[in-house]
Amino acid sequence: EDQVTQSPEALRLQEGESSSLNCSYTVSGLRGLFWYRQDPGKGPEFLFTLYSAGEEKEKERLKATLTKKESFLHITAPKPEDSATYLCAVRKAAGNKLTFGGGTRVLVKP
Amino acid sequence: DGGITQSPKYLFRKEGQNVTLSCEQNLNHDAMYWYRQDPGQGLRLIYYSQIVNDFQKGDIAEGYSVSREKKESFPLTVTSAQKNPTAFYLCASSTHRSASTEAFFGQGTRLTVV
Repeated sequence: EDQVTQSPEALRLQEGESSSLNCSYTVSGLRGLFWYRQDPGKGPEFLFTLYSAGEEKEKERLKATLTKKESFLHITAPKPEDSATYLCAVRKAAGNKLTFGGGTRVLVKP
Repeated sequence: DGGITQSPKYLFRKEGQNVTLSCEQNLNHDAMYWYRQDPGQGLRLIYYSQIVNDFQKGDIAEGYSVSREKKESFPLTVTSAQKNPTAFYLCASSTHRSASTEAFFGQGTRLTVV
């Protein structure tokens, strides 16, 4: 059975304090790993897709990396506007089922 | 503008009633999904559809039903059999005809049982 586990569940950071979020997955035949940002009461907003181990993607203060068992979302020098819940999801090669982890709630204090 | 539209944004249901949540997309995507999100939780898959007139149960399909008569539309009915329907419901769609397979989401419907 496909499983996606995110850690930590919550993260409190001071503005400028860099940190990393983890997404561990078990899936037979990974077709893609996705990171989303979700603000309260809103739908998730797409950030990155990673397809193979060793791949990296960057966008502003965010950088996503992928290994065969996990992905990291690194937040460099975060600002209060980076406060959100960050969700990780995987799609397997067979079929189109998209499975999400429980998310990491990030709060960046000024 | 291309996107996914969910309606209504807020919905109130009396116990014992069926209610239907609307999801429409104009992205020409083949696949559509329904997720449920409870406070402080991740997304759990209810149903998904890869093509018109076909759909599969997700992890928590009991008490829900869907149809996919048109490519653009994937309505979700929350039946009276769903014992705890109060939640935030999210619809998504994706394409499988390009290298990009990410799903895009609507803004959600918050359902409350009164």
